[in-house]
Amino acid sequence: EVRLVESEGGLVQPGGSLRLSCAASGLTFSGYAMGWVRQAPGKGLEWVSGIGSIQYTTYYADSVKGRFTISRDNSKNTLYLQMNSLRADDTAMYYCATVKDWLINTYFDSWGQGTLVTVSS
Amino acid sequence: SYVLTQPPSVSVAPGKTAKMTCGGNNIARKSVHWYQQKPGQAPVLVIYYDRDRPSGSPERFSGSKSGNTATLTISRVEAGDEADYYCQVWDSSSDHVVFGGGTKLTVL
Repeated sequence: EVRLVESEGGLVQPGGSLRLSCAASGLTFSGYAMGWVRQAPGKGLEWVSGIGSIQYTTYYADSVKGRFTISRDNSKNTLYLQMNSLRADDTAMYYCATVKDWLINTYFDSWGQGTLVTVSS
Repeated sequence: SYVLTQPPSVSVAPGKTAKMTCGGNNIARKSVHWYQQKPGQAPVLVIYYDRDRPSGSPERFSGSKSGNTATLTISRVEAGDEADYYCQVWDSSSDHVVFGGGTKLTVL
């Protein structure tokens, strides 16, 4: 069974930084593209970023491009999201997910339970 | 940027059939995926590639597509089906994942 566990989020001041991690088990992590999806309180799902499994190609939503960086460490079965220059509208539950058919007909077949990031002074 | 449009809410009585739509320009050329999200829980994939069900997704869940609209149909609706449902596509012109705004299914 695939298990994805996000690190604890937290409260961050506007302009601050935070790095999320997602520990994966129950799968051959190096064989999977991975992604982050967020959900602001009371709102819908919003794709944040994705990373390939082989060439580590990365893509970002326009709302986070230049501020967020996705990366992975296959030796640790871990996905990361470095978030810089955080703004109030980045406040959301952040989910990591396994990606199928990356860059073809991308979809998410397993999800973590999410971690809450709150940006506020 | 590509937009997917879903009705905010759908209501159905138990045992009846619920249909939730997802509209988008030229959606016929894209593969549509559907997720169920119950309150306080992570989303769960229920339909992929328009009409395929992952293991664990009940047979009561089905997907279809016609013209500029994709549809998620839930037959013999149960109280436990009450949730938010999101459609999603990959937009190759922008290399972005796109989600619809979601439909809240209420079981009366």
